[in-house]
This record gives sequence, structure tokens and C-alpha cells, in this order.
Amino acid sequence: GIQVEQSPPDLILQEGANSTLRCNFSDSVNNLQWFHQNPWGQLINLFYIPSGTKQNGRLSATTVATERYSLLYISSSQTTDSGVYFCAVRNSGNTPLVFGKGTRLSVIA
Amino acid sequence: DVKVTQSSRYLVKRTGEKVFLECVQDMDHENMFWYRQDPGLGLRLIYFSYDVKMKEKGDIPEGYSVSREKKERFSLILESASTNQTSMYLCASSALTGTEAFFGQGTRLTVV
Repeated sequence: GIQVEQSPPDLILQEGANSTLRCNFSDSVNNLQWFHQNPWGQLINLFYIPSGTKQNGRLSATTVATERYSLLYISSSQTTDSGVYFCAVRNSGNTPLVFGKGTRLSVIA
Repeated sequence: DVKVTQSSRYLVKRTGEKVFLECVQDMDHENMFWYRQDPGLGLRLIYFSYDVKMKEKGDIPEGYSVSREKKERFSLILESASTNQTSMYLCASSALTGTEAFFGQGTRLTVV
């Protein structure tokens, strides 16, 4: 099956710094999503982005499907951005999402 | 807004008990999924369903069963709970076309 790798596994930032999280996948995809897992465990949808670029406030994402990677950018990080960020993909038809292991982000004041 | 609701946020059960985890979605989605999340192992798919009364095994179905009697509800059943089923359980739904998936708030199950 499709493999999803996220990097870095852990990231510590000072408040106000910018960061880039990466997601590599091993096959073509028809769905790619970025999630943020909050401290209570819920997965919050950030972006549905099988290709192209999207922005939502301080967050933006780019997926280059032909090169099999996606990037999540966080600008001017805040302590509330802390948590685990997951990339998940679907590579054909109606198959379930396959998740990467996540990037644990800690933003310190 | 899509809403996926799991019946409990925290649950403590005894070894050998039969446990039901319930998930309800309000967007008329065809697809529903159950994942479990463990430290170092990420999210792993247990079962999924494309339609009422249909079910498919995921990567780790052993020790679990599911029920989908109505389109909006997908239940995960632990027939005889064991301590190695202590985990975070996450339910999700999406439209049949395989577009954006939405997750419930999660159920943290402890089996003692």
C-alpha cells in the first residue's frame, strides 16, 4: 500500500517563528489532508489539498502531486499551534485515508 | 458544518467486558471509519463501511467487530475487552466520492 512519511518528527519553535512541515508519499493520490490534533485528541481539519496551494490565516499548504509531496507552512507561530500535525492520503477511488506518523510541534513563549 | 459525534470521550472497562463505541454523523456520508491511535504507531485502520450493512476489514481488525444498521451510525464492538485494546479510538466519515474526511472527538478507552 501507499506509504506516507512526515518530517521532522519533532519540532520546537520559539513563539513568532515560522516553520515548514513536509509530507512525502509513495504513489499518486486523489486526496490529501492535513490535520492538527489538539491536546484533547481530536483531529481538526486544516486543509483538503490533493494539489495546488491553499491559505487559511497564518497557515498555508502546497501539494505537488507530480513530485509526491506536500508542505504545511505555519507563520508567526503561537503557543496554541502546539500539537501533532498529521498528513493523510488516499491513493485510489474510495479507499480509506492512510496517515503519516505525524510531526509533534511545540511552540514555547 | 459536518459533525461526527462519538458517544464517550473517556471510558474505563474491565477485562472481558463487551464494549460498544458509538459514532454518529449528520452529513449523510456513505463512508465511515474506525481508527485506533497508539504512541509510536500512529493511526491504524480497524474497520470501515461504504454503506449500510456493509463492512470491510482494515489493517488491524482482530478482536473487533462493527455494526452499521443505519447510515448515520457506525458502532465498534470489542467482544471481550483486553488490556492491549487500551487506546484512543477515532471515528471518521466522508462522502462516497472519497472527498474530505471528518473526525469525531475521539474516545480514550482504558481496559483494566
